[in-house]
Amino acid sequence: QQPVQSPQAVILREGEDAVINCSSSKALYSVHWYRQKHGEAPVFLMILLKGGEQKGHEKISASFNEKKQQSSLYLTASQLSYSGTYFCGTLHSGNTPLVFGKGTRLSVIA
Amino acid sequence: GAVVSQHPSWVICKSGTSVKIECRSLDFQATTMFWYRQFPKQSLMLMATSNEGSKATYEQGVEKDKFLINHASLTLSTLTVTSAHPEDSSFYICSARDTTGVGYGYTFGSGTRLTVV
Repeated sequence: QQPVQSPQAVILREGEDAVINCSSSKALYSVHWYRQKHGEAPVFLMILLKGGEQKGHEKISASFNEKKQQSSLYLTASQLSYSGTYFCGTLHSGNTPLVFGKGTRLSVIA
Repeated sequence: GAVVSQHPSWVICKSGTSVKIECRSLDFQATTMFWYRQFPKQSLMLMATSNEGSKATYEQGVEKDKFLINHASLTLSTLTVTSAHPEDSSFYICSARDTTGVGYGYTFGSGTRLTVV
């Protein structure tokens, strides 16, 4: 079942923050976040495996609320390079394919 | 980290011909690979799961006779689009998971843009 992402699109000025949400109607095994630039393949950002887990890299972080079956991606002090479409991919059990949300188009402007 | 190589990056073919896309895991073995298709401004839609040494599992609505998948070795899966038509034009991406590495991330190939004219 396809996870639901929100918002569908967001425009930020450099230095502003953004939150992208991903929710599922079924229990989640893990949540994977990717960023895709136009014409390129998705690039892995991070994976969250355990309920309550939070992790980050540089100014991008994510959390996983297992009970609420949702994850959020936080982009802090956005940079122009953050522009792209962000997808969450969800797994409901072990070695199964990722099912992606419809994506959130993020545009960072100067 | 895990690397998945996909070739070709783009291909233009005539309607009615067949096109083969290769996906290789370069530094790990992948018993399972996944094939996705992405139309412009849309999400990645799973087409099929490719299993080494056995038949692929296709998602509902994907014609298995049109999209032939072969996973002959632990490092190579191929997708052949047979009798391609303009509506098959899309971005095809493969993915594999390195279960031996830390992180359990799914690595994607660079994608193949298919244009059928």
